[in-house]
Amino acid sequence: SQQGEEDPQALSIQEGENATMNCSYKTSINNLQWYRQNSGRGLVHLILIRSNEREKHSGRLRVTLDTSKKSSSLLITASRAADTASYFCATGGYSGAGSYQLTFGKGTKLSVIP
Amino acid sequence: EADIYQTPRYLVIGTGKKITLECSQTMGHDKMYWYQQDPGMELHLIHYSYGVNSTEKGDLSSESTVSRIRTEHFPLTLESARPSHTSQYLCASSEGGFGGLSTDTQYFGPGTRLTVL
Repeated sequence: SQQGEEDPQALSIQEGENATMNCSYKTSINNLQWYRQNSGRGLVHLILIRSNEREKHSGRLRVTLDTSKKSSSLLITASRAADTASYFCATGGYSGAGSYQLTFGKGTKLSVIP
Repeated sequence: EADIYQTPRYLVIGTGKKITLECSQTMGHDKMYWYQQDPGMELHLIHYSYGVNSTEKGDLSSESTVSRIRTEHFPLTLESARPSHTSQYLCASSEGGFGGLSTDTQYFGPGTRLTVL
């Protein structure tokens, strides 16, 4: 399975601190995406990084991808209470049957304490 | 906010009832998906569709069924609801496309929280 596994499962930090979440996966990918889910809501796409990219930025978000280690990290700088949510990585690639799929990990629950 | 809608948002019903969860998107996306998610847990893909008249089962076995008669509409039906079906159901869509440039970025609806008593 190319499913991503996030680490840690849960993270609690003070407002203003940086939050780092990691994602590891098992097979080759075309791209890796990060999504956010507020409690009781649907997921929202945050950022995508392709397999030939090493780092991307979007506002306070920084994503890195190391295809040799099959891992990615999401850094949220200067966290705010409103960043409290679950964060999921999703790996995009071709399944054994040859169809393109996006597969979600189990998520990291981030709590930012005011 | 993505242009993808789910109704109802909350549903409480008794065992044995037939229910249909509605999902519609106005983005013209070819691909649509249904996920099941227990609170605070991972997503499980239960159904997907690559276009009209195309439906496939996902990784998690489900007693529900789906149909795709129109591009914008992807309803999920449970013929006889049971307490084990209690969960949140998320609908999503993506542009599709194939080949090396595919990203399959998915846009999610707000979800339907189903409780079967």
